[in-house]
Amino acid sequence: GAVVSQHPSWVICKSGTSVKIECRSLDFQATTMFWYRQFPKQSLMLMATSNEGSKATYEQGVEKDKFLINHASLTLSTLTVTSAHPEDSSFYICSASGGSSYNEQFFGPGTRLTVL
Amino acid sequence: DAKTTQPPSMDCAEGRAANLPCNHSTISGNEYVYWYRQIHSQGPQYIIHGLKNNETNEMASLIITEDRKSSTLILPHATLRDTAVYYCIPGAGSYQLTFGKGTKLSVIP
Repeated sequence: GAVVSQHPSWVICKSGTSVKIECRSLDFQATTMFWYRQFPKQSLMLMATSNEGSKATYEQGVEKDKFLINHASLTLSTLTVTSAHPEDSSFYICSASGGSSYNEQFFGPGTRLTVL
Repeated sequence: DAKTTQPPSMDCAEGRAANLPCNHSTISGNEYVYWYRQIHSQGPQYIIHGLKNNETNEMASLIITEDRKSSTLILPHATLRDTAVYYCIPGAGSYQLTFGKGTKLSVIP
């Protein structure tokens, strides 16, 4: 099956700093990538959808200036949490679909962000 | 989006079949039924999806009722590694997945 990786798997940062999370599709071309956030004991909430070469579409309530998404190639998308605060601490998960896997989303392993 | 109802939790003995039900009575004619699972602190894993017909793959079987208002995911021989939260998600395509609360399946030795 298709493989999606995320880096880093966990990160701890100080309040006010920015953190970049990478999402890569390893064995297929991901025309669409998705970013989710999951707080403890809650379900995944979609933050934004991005198509390669286009600006991301953000869900209602998600600040596009705070959560910067770049999808510059068919195998890489990045999420930058700018000026992170403790309330941004969460489990961030990306997923990708595309090519022959257009009808499925393949998820990365997630990145645990802790903001002190 | 179609709303779903899943039991919040279920137990299953190791080696037995796990049958996870899902009600999706408001599903549209063009919406598939997707099943994903999420093992603790990992990303969700695709299991199976179907439209009308029953489907089977190496992981599970999906039984969809004729009126498409409900479905059942079957893990034929549950193992401890199948302990996870299972999500039933109607959607017209993979770009329309909305995760609900799912069913927490505990496989017991």
